[in-house]
Amino acid sequence: RKEVEQDPGPFNVPEGATVAFNCTYSNSASQSFFWYRQDCRKEPKLLMSVYSSGNEDGRFTAQLNRASQYISLLIRDSKLSDSATYLCVVPGGGFQKLVFGTGTRLLVSP
Amino acid sequence: EPEVTQTPSHQVTQMGQEVILRCVPISNHLYFYWYRQILGQKVEFLVSFYNNEISEKSEIFDDQFSVERPDGSNFTLKIRSTKLEDSAMYFCASNDLTGIGNTIYFGEGSWLTVV
Repeated sequence: RKEVEQDPGPFNVPEGATVAFNCTYSNSASQSFFWYRQDCRKEPKLLMSVYSSGNEDGRFTAQLNRASQYISLLIRDSKLSDSATYLCVVPGGGFQKLVFGTGTRLLVSP
Repeated sequence: EPEVTQTPSHQVTQMGQEVILRCVPISNHLYFYWYRQILGQKVEFLVSFYNNEISEKSEIFDDQFSVERPDGSNFTLKIRSTKLEDSAMYFCASNDLTGIGNTIYFGEGSWLTVV
């Protein structure tokens, strides 16, 4: 299994839709997980951190399933501005090294 | 909001030339990083730096790469003899480990094109 694996998409959804992305990770010892958002040719920006079973922030919900080693991100009521690539990120051990997935591209259309 | 700043935003260089990418991390941060992203690929860790020394580096970070903190504010990545495959976006990042979780703040990146 790859360190971090994501479906590259793209996911094409209309405004207002609910969309979910999954991510699997290989290191069962990982304690914290992150979802970053990356716009085209821009830097990754932290969207959510996940430390226990899950985390919710407005329209965004992240869930963690340690037994199956996957993390999910749910976006409700999609906005045009949600169009971006969503990166699943897992600490790689050592001094804060982050291991990034390839990202899942989301396109929200009017 | 404090931010990580990087210069140049874009640099074109000839193969074999030396390149220095500069970064100013957030002022009270203690841990500094370089990541790179080849066009269309994932973000990859290069190196982490703490207490004026490299704390971890990846296989990518070979002898052609070096990092330095020449003064109290700048953090640089030097690529000694650039190759075509070094063309990528290079992101500098920093954190202090006292923020929310392990939040790492990224700069806007430096696009390096090797021709």
